[in-house]
Amino acid sequence: QKEVEQNSGPLSVPEGAIASLNCTYSDRGSQSFFWYRQYSGKSPELIMSIYSNGDKEDGRFTAQLNKASQYVSLLIRDSQPSDSATYLCAVKDISGTYKYIFGTGTRLKVLA
Amino acid sequence: DAGVIQSPRHEVTEMGQEVTLRCKPISGHNSLFWYRQTMMRGLELLIYFNNNVPIDDSGMPEDRFSAKMPNASFSTLKIQPSEPRDSAVYFCASSSLSGSSYNEQFFGPGTRLTVL
Repeated sequence: QKEVEQNSGPLSVPEGAIASLNCTYSDRGSQSFFWYRQYSGKSPELIMSIYSNGDKEDGRFTAQLNKASQYVSLLIRDSQPSDSATYLCAVKDISGTYKYIFGTGTRLKVLA
Repeated sequence: DAGVIQSPRHEVTEMGQEVTLRCKPISGHNSLFWYRQTMMRGLELLIYFNNNVPIDDSGMPEDRFSAKMPNASFSTLKIQPSEPRDSAVYFCASSSLSGSSYNEQFFGPGTRLTVL
């Protein structure tokens, strides 16, 4: 059973702090990883994708990938109350299909 | 460019009625995915299509659910007969399978289904 694990939270951070969201996956051969943000009552919105070990930065967001340890993380710098949402980690299935395996999401609360 | 379009956005129906959800993928995308999201079970993949052909329907909960993709710009998800436990938000997503693409998926706004 392929799995993507996330802490459900809520993760509470003060405004201006760095929020760190973590995700582990079970399939060692996975190659493509994605972070989605989902506001309450809205659809998931793709915010980051990462395919190589190391860091990938986009504005206040940094995705980190460590394939040896099978984890991927998302850092949000200078957190704002508007970042309060559920963050879903997704891993592309490697069995020749085009499915994503989603984690259950981490709820982030940024306190003003 | 328009994103993934879904209709209706909200549907309230009574148990036993037929429900049809509709999706128009992003133009040029050749893969389409139907998901269901509930608080209890999170985001579940129901079925996905590649070039209008169903590839994996192992997530379809039972025979009451069916999905079609008659052409590259339209798909339907039908529930007949509907039951209260089908109440959820149903999302459609699409992606492009070009040779060098890593298959990023983009979601539609969802249809919130309530079965009374």
